[in-house]
Amino acid sequence: GAVVSQHPSRVICKSGTSVKIECRSLDFQATTMFWYRQFPKQSLMLMATSNEGSKATYEQGVEKDKFLINHASLTLSTLTVTSAHPEDSSFYICSANQGRLDTQYFGPGTRLTVL
Amino acid sequence: RKEVEQDPGPFNVPEGATVAFNCTYSNSASQSFFWYRQDCRKEPKLLMSVYSSGNEDGRFTAQLNRASQYISLLIRDSKLSDSATYLCVVNDGSSNTGKLIFGQGTTLQVKP
Repeated sequence: GAVVSQHPSRVICKSGTSVKIECRSLDFQATTMFWYRQFPKQSLMLMATSNEGSKATYEQGVEKDKFLINHASLTLSTLTVTSAHPEDSSFYICSANQGRLDTQYFGPGTRLTVL
Repeated sequence: RKEVEQDPGPFNVPEGATVAFNCTYSNSASQSFFWYRQDCRKEPKLLMSVYSSGNEDGRFTAQLNRASQYISLLIRDSKLSDSATYLCVVNDGSSNTGKLIFGQGTTLQVKP
């Protein structure tokens, strides 16, 4: 099956700093990537849909200036959490489409802890 | 009302038991349905797609009732390794972007 990687897998940072998370499709070209956030004991919540070469589409309630998404190539999307605060601590997961819209392959996730 | 509703459980069952999970969804325009499995602190992994005719994969059987907007998953002969959270997932039928909507998940704990 298709492989999606994320880096880093875990990050601990101080409040006020920015953190960049990378999502890569390793063996296919992904025209669409999705960014999710999951808090403990809760489901995945879609944050934004990222299309290569265009601006991301953010879900209601997600601040686009705080969560910067760049999808510069067909194999790479990045999420930058700017001026991170403790409440941003969460499990961030990306996924990518392999052509057929409904087939999403998930990355292993990035666990962010903001002190 | 949540778009995808599941009983969070936990379901505690002995090895070898049969267990069933249910899920309801609110968007009648949804066209694709899935069950994902998520282990603790890991990403979700696709368990199976769900088709109107029902489908089976080994010990797992999924059913879909479009009229009732209801999806089920049956696990027979439970194994210890089946312990995980099972996520009911439907596509967002209102868009063509491939967006998926996740249920809260149902936690299964299989005991020896």
